[in-house]
Amino acid sequence: SAVISQKPSRDICQRGTSLTIQCQVDSQVTMMFWYRQQPGQSLTLIATANQGSEATYESGFVIDKFPISRPNLTFSTLTVSNMSPEDSSIYLCSVARGQTGELFFGEGSRLTVL
Amino acid sequence: AQKITQTQPGMFVQEKEAVTLDCTYDTSDPSYGLFWYKQPSSGEMIFLIYQGSYDQQNATEGRYSLNFQKARKSANLVISASQLGDSAMYFCAMIKNTGFQKLVFGTGTRLLVSP
Repeated sequence: SAVISQKPSRDICQRGTSLTIQCQVDSQVTMMFWYRQQPGQSLTLIATANQGSEATYESGFVIDKFPISRPNLTFSTLTVSNMSPEDSSIYLCSVARGQTGELFFGEGSRLTVL
Repeated sequence: AQKITQTQPGMFVQEKEAVTLDCTYDTSDPSYGLFWYKQPSSGEMIFLIYQGSYDQQNATEGRYSLNFQKARKSANLVISASQLGDSAMYFCAMIKNTGFQKLVFGTGTRLLVSP
């Protein structure tokens, strides 16, 4: 299994501000994924963070709102910009390991926007 | 496009009983993988079990087993001897094994285990 650390684990933010979530993995991985889980909902993929190139965003998510950095093979950040109450969610970082493509997840970052 | 359907918003089971959580999927890819994850109230996602589309036998991991019915496109999770700590949300997910790997999740089933 992979050890994935996310910071912050939770935060309460004011409308209009931005917050950066960090994800640290205990070993090098090619792709890192960022998911969002809105209250009572399933997980939705935001983007795939590739080392050395721009992130690949899913439909409905844009770089201006969710800029992502991937400076090396063990670390990534997701910024939630200009937050509104609709951004209140759990944001999860994940990596794929093994031949099955099994995804391991960080503990998640629970954001509440007032 | 891939799609995962979990029709049970919630399930209730008594401690030590077995419970089945339903999952059906839709894909045109011949090679794919199916996963089950557990999400306790803390929010973390815990991998439980994996089934490959070409696997001949149903996957098992301790008290978890996956009832894989390929022709019916179902991948139900069976939890035997339920424990109070099994109370959580359970998500079925699918990944295709070719091209860009993206995990698609179902809407989840909330399991409540009572004493």
